[in-house]
Amino acid sequence: QKEVEQNSGPLSVPEGAIASLNCTYSDRGSQSFFWYRQYSGKSPELIMSIYSNGDKEDGRFTAQLNKASQYVSLLIRDSQPSDSATYLCAVNNFNKFYFGSGTKLNVKP
Amino acid sequence: DTAVSQTPKYLVTQMGNDKSIKCEQNLGHDTMYWYKQDSKKFLKIMFSYNNKELIINETVPNRFSPKSPDKAHLNLHINSLELGDSAVYFCASSQDREGWVNTEAFFGQGTRLTVV
Repeated sequence: QKEVEQNSGPLSVPEGAIASLNCTYSDRGSQSFFWYRQYSGKSPELIMSIYSNGDKEDGRFTAQLNKASQYVSLLIRDSQPSDSATYLCAVNNFNKFYFGSGTKLNVKP
Repeated sequence: DTAVSQTPKYLVTQMGNDKSIKCEQNLGHDTMYWYKQDSKKFLKIMFSYNNKELIINETVPNRFSPKSPDKAHLNLHINSLELGDSAVYFCASSQDREGWVNTEAFFGQGTRLTVV
C-alpha cells in the first residue's frame, strides 16, 4: 500500500468551474499536509498547507482535512487554463514528505 | 535570490560513470532532502538530513551516497551509474517545527540525469 494515494486523472474541467482533487494517506501519525502544483519540466511549488481538521481557504483554493478518514482534498474555484498542471498531495511526519503520484488537471478554455 | 539551488540542471553520462549533484539552500532550514522523480512523475524520498545528520535512508542502493558538509549543503554522489538511474533528482529543504513536524518543503529546480 502506498503512503499517499491520488487519482492520476486526467481531470478535465471547463474554465470557470470548480476542480476537486482528492488524496488519502495511510499513516495515522501524519502531522501536516500539503498540496503542490507541478508544471511540466518544473519543480513542485507549494499551493496550500493544512495542519488541523477542517477547511482552510486561500484565494481560489480551499484545502480540506479529515484525519479520522485520512483524507485531504483541494478545491480550485473559478478554474483558469493556467491552473492546468499536475497536483501533488504530500504528507509529512518525522522528517519525511511522502508524495502521491499526482493528479493531472486540464482546464479547458 | 534562489532559495534552493542545485547544479547541474542537466547531466548526461555513460553507464558505469560516477557523478555528483550539488545542492545549497539559503533559507536557514534545518532539514534537507533528496527526491527522485521517475518517468511516471512519482516523487520518492531518498534521503533526509537534519542539521548535517542522516535521518532517513529509504532503501536506496549504496551506490548513492549523500554528504552534508554543513546545514546549508547536501550533495549527492552516485557511483557506477545504471540506466535505471535516469530520472529527475530534486533537492528540497524544510524548517523543523516541534514534534518532528516540518513546515512545507521548498524544492530546487531539479537535475535531469540521463544515463546512456
